[in-house]
Amino acid sequence: NAGVTQTPKFRILKIGQSMTLQCTQDMNHNYMYWYRQDPGMGLKLIYYSVGAGITDKGEVPNGYNVSRSTTEDFPLRLELAAPSQTSVYFCASTGRAAPYEQYFGPGTRLTVT
Amino acid sequence: GQQVMQIPQYQHVQEGEDFTTYCNSSTTLSNIQWYKQRPGGHPVFLIQLVKSGEVKKQKRLTFQFGEAKKNSSLHITATQTTDVGTYFCARGIQGAQKLVFGQGTRLTINP
Repeated sequence: NAGVTQTPKFRILKIGQSMTLQCTQDMNHNYMYWYRQDPGMGLKLIYYSVGAGITDKGEVPNGYNVSRSTTEDFPLRLELAAPSQTSVYFCASTGRAAPYEQYFGPGTRLTVT
Repeated sequence: GQQVMQIPQYQHVQEGEDFTTYCNSSTTLSNIQWYKQRPGGHPVFLIQLVKSGEVKKQKRLTFQFGEAKKNSSLHITATQTTDVGTYFCARGIQGAQKLVFGQGTRLTINP
């Protein structure tokens, strides 16, 4: 199993550009999450999904959109990138059973200039 | 509210010394998870605590959940250079479907 994969690993965007961060998991997990991590800080939940077709906002959803058309994929869309979105983005997934440990992807380091 | 506070924010120790990080909440926690993130890496699950007063051990790591379920701690005995990283606690919301992470404690070690 590859676990949770994310692409790209790094990206530099200009202000106002858009991009999609890709996330795929091969563990048949129902729950998927997008977090951002600013330097020296914890993880903030952006959006999450409890299954295909169902998404919900987390703590910091402004400036982002998500979709979940399949169990495996959970892309994160950034529209009109702003410097405040410079961060490391992690995708994670978990199954239905305890202990609900979240499996994280390797992350995407995004810089907006 | 739902935040969890972690202290200290940073800790530097000599190799072989012990290390403890604390996670505190103003409200009762239904469960708490701990994660480790190596420098440049992604968070990796360590453990989940659910029961009041629970103590769990993983080799040199000891995890505790307070009697009142408002705090938790992670203690590492005799640190090694492989313990370097940031340790996060995370409270479970709606069971553990969602997590709210603490700011983390960054551990550095002098070999």
